[in-house]
Amino acid sequence: KAGVTQTPRYLIKTRGQQVTLSCSPISGHRSVSWYQQTPGQGLQFLFEYFSETQRNKGNFPGRFSGRQFSNSRSEMNVSTLELGDSALYLCASRGGDPSTDTQYFGPGTRLTVL
Amino acid sequence: AQTVTQSQPEMSVQEAETVTLSCTYDTSENNYYLFWYKQPPSRQMILVIRQEAYKQQNATENRFSVNFQKAAKSFSLKISDSQLGDTAMYFCAFMRSSNNNDMRFGAGTRLTVKP
Repeated sequence: KAGVTQTPRYLIKTRGQQVTLSCSPISGHRSVSWYQQTPGQGLQFLFEYFSETQRNKGNFPGRFSGRQFSNSRSEMNVSTLELGDSALYLCASRGGDPSTDTQYFGPGTRLTVL
Repeated sequence: AQTVTQSQPEMSVQEAETVTLSCTYDTSENNYYLFWYKQPPSRQMILVIRQEAYKQQNATENRFSVNFQKAAKSFSLKISDSQLGDTAMYFCAFMRSSNNNDMRFGAGTRLTVKP
């Protein structure tokens, strides 16, 4: 099976712009989660989508949003970018049942905000 | 709120030796899952080992094993016969057993295996 893929791998934006990141989960996985990784804050949970519905949400402002399509692919959008949004954004997928599933991570999208 | 603490920002070990990475967590939950993930330099995060809180037996995966002390809320990772490829950031993570994928990570331990 192909692993979790994320596009683009690298992105440079300027303050005030918006950005959309994409994640394709492992085939058959219905849950997609997004994380932000920074040197200062470490790994922080953004949100999880399952069957096209947001199931869980972390403590991030409303500028961070996401969605999931019927094929389980997910997109994350950040509007009005700030310098502090510079980070590695990781996507992870799993089948949907935390009691049996393992969460697999993608390679990440490195976003730089200038 | 659940918190995960890794008190060792950096560690090093000689090739072929054994090293233990520490992790403690705070939760009022009784059922949950604990994980160790490895993130090699510039490479993606992979699962090393997983432990269900209801299982008393410590999980093992080849050279990797855990010491899970539920009462002490401790979850350490032991790497035996360390290899150069074990050089990476290691993250301890916690997840509630309810249908909730809010995985909480520790700050990580940077492990360097020296030849």
